[in-house]
Amino acid sequence: AQRVTQPEKLLSVFKGAPVELKCNYSYSGSPELFWYVQYSRQRLQLLLRHISRESIKGFTADLNKGETSFHLKKPFAQEEDSAMYYCALGKAAGNKLTFGGGTRVLVKP
Amino acid sequence: NAGVMQNPRHLVRRRGQEARLRCSPMKGHSHVYWYRQLPEEGLKFMVYLQKENIIDESGMPKERFSAEFPKEGPSILRIQQVVRGDSAAYFCASSRGESEKLFFGSGTQLSVL
Repeated sequence: AQRVTQPEKLLSVFKGAPVELKCNYSYSGSPELFWYVQYSRQRLQLLLRHISRESIKGFTADLNKGETSFHLKKPFAQEEDSAMYYCALGKAAGNKLTFGGGTRVLVKP
Repeated sequence: NAGVMQNPRHLVRRRGQEARLRCSPMKGHSHVYWYRQLPEEGLKFMVYLQKENIIDESGMPKERFSAEFPKEGPSILRIQQVVRGDSAAYFCASSRGESEKLFFGSGTQLSVL
């Protein structure tokens, strides 16, 4: 069965500090991993996907198949990064996603 | 493009009533997904539809829940005889193709009294 675990419900950091959101998954096939973000009073939106290997808003995430992890990192957090972040797992084709429980990030000035 | 439109934003129903949630996908999108989010949990997949077809309903409860996406008009998620446990945020998402970028609506918050 597919499962996504985000162990931290809340992550509080100071502006300029590094931030890392943990995501672990279980899946028997070839996974496709995503990070979604929901800013206050906005819709859930795609932040990045592992196959793109891109950096969005300073965030990066590396798929580690050995550790079955897809942690999201940013070296210098900004106040505007305060939001709810969801890790999601999908198959190679399709948008049927399994979401983690989410991590709320609070960046303090 | 107005994005994925869901209405109503908030819906209050008494136990035993019916709830109808509507979702208009983005223009040009023919793939629609419904997700449910219970309090303090992540989103859980319910159903995937294309125009006039249910492709995958593996996440739908076996009873009381149904979904449609007619040739004309919005996709509808229907919950009959609602119970308190149905209280949740229901999100609709759409994409142009099966594996293309997913766009989410603002959700409908269903409260069952």
